[in-house]
Amino acid sequence: QLALTQSPSASASLGASVKLTCTLSSGHSNNAIAWYQQQPKKGPRYLMKVNSDGSLSKGDGVPDRFSGSTSGAERYLTISPLRSEDEADYYCQTWETGLHWVFGGGTKLTVL
Amino acid sequence: QVQLVESGGGVVQPGRSLRLSCATSGFTFSIHGMHWVRQSPGKGLEWVAVIWNDGRNKYFADSVKGRFTISRDNSKNTLFLQMNSLTAEDTAIYYCARGRYGSVFDYWGQGTLVTVSS
Repeated sequence: QLALTQSPSASASLGASVKLTCTLSSGHSNNAIAWYQQQPKKGPRYLMKVNSDGSLSKGDGVPDRFSGSTSGAERYLTISPLRSEDEADYYCQTWETGLHWVFGGGTKLTVL
Repeated sequence: QVQLVESGGGVVQPGRSLRLSCATSGFTFSIHGMHWVRQSPGKGLEWVAVIWNDGRNKYFADSVKGRFTISRDNSKNTLFLQMNSLTAEDTAIYYCARGRYGSVFDYWGQGTLVTVSS
């Protein structure tokens, strides 16, 4: 069954780098995923699509500080350098074409 | 610029119905698939439904199948979600989102809160 796993929380210092992980369920390691940022009390914002070959499609106006990568069944979102406004929840998402769309449980990022 | 504005949320009793709307602007509505995504209080995101650009194809999450319907009016650039037989588990913020690449949600509204309570 298609599913995504994310760590519930992460933290890093202002100005440092953080790498968030999203893991695809068994049998789905070739799926592309998308990353979203949700700041407190706001709707989600599309950051980028990360394909299995590591290619990216970033959303409009997404800063260069946000990048994506891939390794096997894992998809990563790296933020560097961290700013205070990056403190937010981050969700990954994937899909089975035309059938349904699935979100990970989200990672709450704290900027120290 | 792209804008999506949801409306129609509120407090409704269990078993009753509610219709949500999503007014859009700033893009060619008729060429995009459109989605509804919800978020229960303090919880993560859950995809609810999609409607293809021409309105012919619609798909639903198992949790709402048979109770919710999705529709659109391309002449008015508006998306709808008809929710019937509501239960407490449907309490959530409901977001409309624009589809891109047939796979991701590249623009979102600010959401409308639906509370199902007696």
